[in-house]
Amino acid sequence: EPEVTQTPSHQVTQMGQEVILRCVPISNHLYFYWYRQILGQKVEFLVSFYNNEISEKSEIFDDQFSVERPDGSNFTLKIRSTKLEDSAMYFCAGGTDEMGKGYTFGSGTRLTVV
Amino acid sequence: GNSVTQMEGPVTLSEEAFLTINCTYTATGYPSLFWYVQYPGEGLQLLLKATKADDKGSNKGFEATYRKETTSFHLEKGSVQVSDSAVYFCALRGSFQGGSEKLVFGKGTKLTVNP
Repeated sequence: EPEVTQTPSHQVTQMGQEVILRCVPISNHLYFYWYRQILGQKVEFLVSFYNNEISEKSEIFDDQFSVERPDGSNFTLKIRSTKLEDSAMYFCAGGTDEMGKGYTFGSGTRLTVV
Repeated sequence: GNSVTQMEGPVTLSEEAFLTINCTYTATGYPSLFWYVQYPGEGLQLLLKATKADDKGSNKGFEATYRKETTSFHLEKGSVQVSDSAVYFCALRGSFQGGSEKLVFGKGTKLTVNP
């Protein structure tokens, strides 16, 4: 079964540094998403991306965050200047036009900001 | 906006016990409803889904019925196993923004099954 692949699985970075989280979606997916889950808490929506632009973003997704899909395959989330509170598990997901389907999630990147 | 409320747990059961995890939702239109499962140290896996009222989603012995009259999608399993220990998330996907409509999650319910 096709998978969404995320790299790295775990990243440790110093506060104030830039990080890029990478995702390779399933080839027939049209819509792409980033979610995050702070340890033991709710899964929170960050951003949705379609047709090479952001469809919707949450209030969490401030100017420190950006997404792009530069080569039609990789889908990246960049955090420009990380803060301690950005420590979380970040999930990439992809989906199709079919409303009745859920998304396929990647296994996540655990980001630790120290 | 759309929202999901589920019992927060944690829930601790003995093997072969009956499981119910309650989930209710608030949404306009006709959302699709989902249960996702997160095993320790892993990502989110779709467990089951239902796309319209009275649909029953089922998988691995788990079931949930889309009840529009009570805006509920409770998860049930007749006999849990130790391997069912995980965090369970109820989620909905709205119907207005087409394919870009995001998933909205409940807070998750941690289930521990003891032998």
